[in-house]
Amino acid sequence: QSALTQPASVSGSPGQSITISCTGTSSDVGSYNLVSWYQQNPGKAPKLMIYEVNKRPSGVSSRFSGSKSGNTASLTISGLQAEDEADYYCCSYAGTFWVFGGGTKLTVL
Amino acid sequence: QISLKESGPTLVKPTQTLMLTCTFSGFSLSSSGVGVGWIRQPPGKALEWLALIYWNDNKRYNPSLKSRLTITKDTSKNQVVLVMANMDPVDTATYYCAHRPQGGSYHYWGQGTLVTVSS
Repeated sequence: QSALTQPASVSGSPGQSITISCTGTSSDVGSYNLVSWYQQNPGKAPKLMIYEVNKRPSGVSSRFSGSKSGNTASLTISGLQAEDEADYYCCSYAGTFWVFGGGTKLTVL
Repeated sequence: QISLKESGPTLVKPTQTLMLTCTFSGFSLSSSGVGVGWIRQPPGKALEWLALIYWNDNKRYNPSLKSRLTITKDTSKNQVVLVMANMDPVDTATYYCAHRPQGGSYHYWGQGTLVTVSS
């Protein structure tokens, strides 16, 4: 199976909004509302930020939101802050297994 | 409070078999819908999903690695074991275990353990 497609990098200035896309296929992202997003800081384990496309776990800032259209899911971070600088990974259920995206490095300028 | 911790060898030789143990607390793997998965990350690269075991002992594997992977659980010990056969240097990675309460996401992760494959 192929990894989900994410842009390698995105950047934004403090206070701005950015969106990270995650493109899959009709066999994964397009078929299930089971897309999740993870934030990973250097040397740390991933942290769940969004699950089931648009739900936030307790403790995650409301600045983080998720959506999906067809085979593409998106993570939007509004009011960008320096602490948001990290790698972000999407993940989708694909019927009998899971598949991750290639990751996106977010730089806060 | 949910926590998970991976343990196992830090160095294995090519062709050897790797056995990793995930010891967890704060939840029961006998609760309906719950699962524990394994995900790895080569240095500087992306996450790769490996396997998942459900509360009812159903198992799911990465199709690309299925022939090399075995996942088992010991509910009484709160442990999940991942075995990967025929290790190769490209399998060098940090291996994470993670808690899947229900649905398709992994809510809690272990700290990860770096496994290096080298002769």
